Amino acid sequence: DAGVIQSPRHEVTEMGQEVTLRCKPISGHNSLFWYRQTMMRGLELLIYFNNNVPIDDSGMPEDRFSAKMPNASFSTLKIQPSEPRDSAVYFCASSSRDWSYEQYFGPGTRLTVT
Amino acid sequence: AQSVTQLGSHVSVSEGALVLLRCNYSSSVPPYLFWYVQYPNQGLQLLLKYTTGATLVKGINGFEAEFKKSETSFHLTKPSAHMSDAAEYFCAVTDTGGFKTIFGAGTRLFVKA
Repeated sequence: DAGVIQSPRHEVTEMGQEVTLRCKPISGHNSLFWYRQTMMRGLELLIYFNNNVPIDDSGMPEDRFSAKMPNASFSTLKIQPSEPRDSAVYFCASSSRDWSYEQYFGPGTRLTVT
Repeated sequence: AQSVTQLGSHVSVSEGALVLLRCNYSSSVPPYLFWYVQYPNQGLQLLLKYTTGATLVKGINGFEAEFKKSETSFHLTKPSAHMSDAAEYFCAVTDTGGFKTIFGAGTRLFVKA
């Protein structure tokens, strides 16, 4: 079975540009999580969807970040405009039920904003 | 609110030696506890989890962890380290009253030949 799929795997962009990260969760999973990982701050939860509905977005850093889940098989995380401090690895994870179940992580998108 | 503390950002062991990675948590209600492993340039993958029942939990690759409520600990152990165990390990906690999983800062395990 295919795991969580993220694209692109690497993204290099200039400050001020819009960046869109994509995620396809495991089929049948109804919870989806977006995380950001940096050396300084570790692994941070950005937003959590359950049944395509955003449940908690309190981890989204600021209004420049937005996330959508239009259907059960696709989610996007958008940064507009991007800044150098957004450079990080962004992970998408899905779960078969909710937070009480293990999460399956994608390979991540390494974002570099110059 | 729950929290997770992993003691030691880096741990170094010799191949064949005992691996012990420490995790302490705080939670106002019975927690669900997880250990994840992250290899370079990969996402996290589950090693083991505790939800209810037996407090000694066995996971993949010979790892196990014991939930000790009195000590609020969930330490990860492996009797004999292998070079392939070199990775970063994350302890995580979710309490039954909430929905967020909180991850610890991670412990990087080095295995010396």
